[in-house]
Amino acid sequence: QKEVEQNSGPLSVPEGAIASLNCTYSDRVSQSFFWYRQYSGKSPELIMSIYSNGDKEDGRFTAQLNKASQYVSLLIRDSQPSDSATYLCAPWGGGNKLTFGTGTQLKVEL
Amino acid sequence: GAVVSQHPSWVICKSGTSVKIECRSLDFQATTMFWYRQFPKQSLMLMATSNEGSKATYEQGVEKDKFLINHASLTLSTLTVTSAHPEDSSFYICSMWRQGNQPQHFGDGTRLSIL
Repeated sequence: QKEVEQNSGPLSVPEGAIASLNCTYSDRVSQSFFWYRQYSGKSPELIMSIYSNGDKEDGRFTAQLNKASQYVSLLIRDSQPSDSATYLCAPWGGGNKLTFGTGTQLKVEL
Repeated sequence: GAVVSQHPSWVICKSGTSVKIECRSLDFQATTMFWYRQFPKQSLMLMATSNEGSKATYEQGVEKDKFLINHASLTLSTLTVTSAHPEDSSFYICSMWRQGNQPQHFGDGTRLSIL
C-alpha cells in the first residue's frame, strides 16, 4: 500500500461546480496535512494546511480531515479554469520531510 | 508566506558540463532543505535531504557523487549536477522546511536541458 494515495485523474468539472479531491494516507501518526497546487511546468505552492479533525475554510477552498479514517480532502467551490492544476496531498507525521501523493489532475471546463 | 528563491530558472548546456543550482530562503531560517526532481507528467521525486552542517542524505537510486549538495547555511543550499548528460534533463526543485508542523516551501524550480 502506498503511503499517500490520490486518484491521478484527470478530474473534470464544469466551471462553477464544486471540485472534490481526496487523499488517504497510511501513517496513523500523521499530525499535519498540507495541500499544494502545481501548475504545469511550475513548482508546487501551498494552498491549505489543516491540523485538526473537521473542516477548515479559506476562501473557495475547504479542507476536511478525518484522522480516524485516515482521510483528507480538498473542496474547491465555484471552480474556475484557473484552478486547473495538479493538487498534491502531503501528510506530515513527524520527522523532517513530507510524503507527497502523486497528485490529482483537475481540469475545470468552460 | 515564506519566500524561497531558486536560480537559475533555466539552464541549457552541453553534455559533460557541471551545473550549479542555488536555493536561498529570503525571510526565514530553514532547518532542513530538500531537493526534488520531476520528469514530465510524473510526480515529485525526492532526491536528497540536508541539514545545515551535515552531509546530505540521498534517496535510494540517487548518485551522491553525481548530485553534490552543499548546505552552506540556514538560508542557502546548492545542488551541483556534475558531468551532466541528456538523461539528467529534468525539472529540479528545492524546498525548505523550518521545523515542527510547518509546511515545506518550494523554490520556483530550475529546468535543466542537457544537449
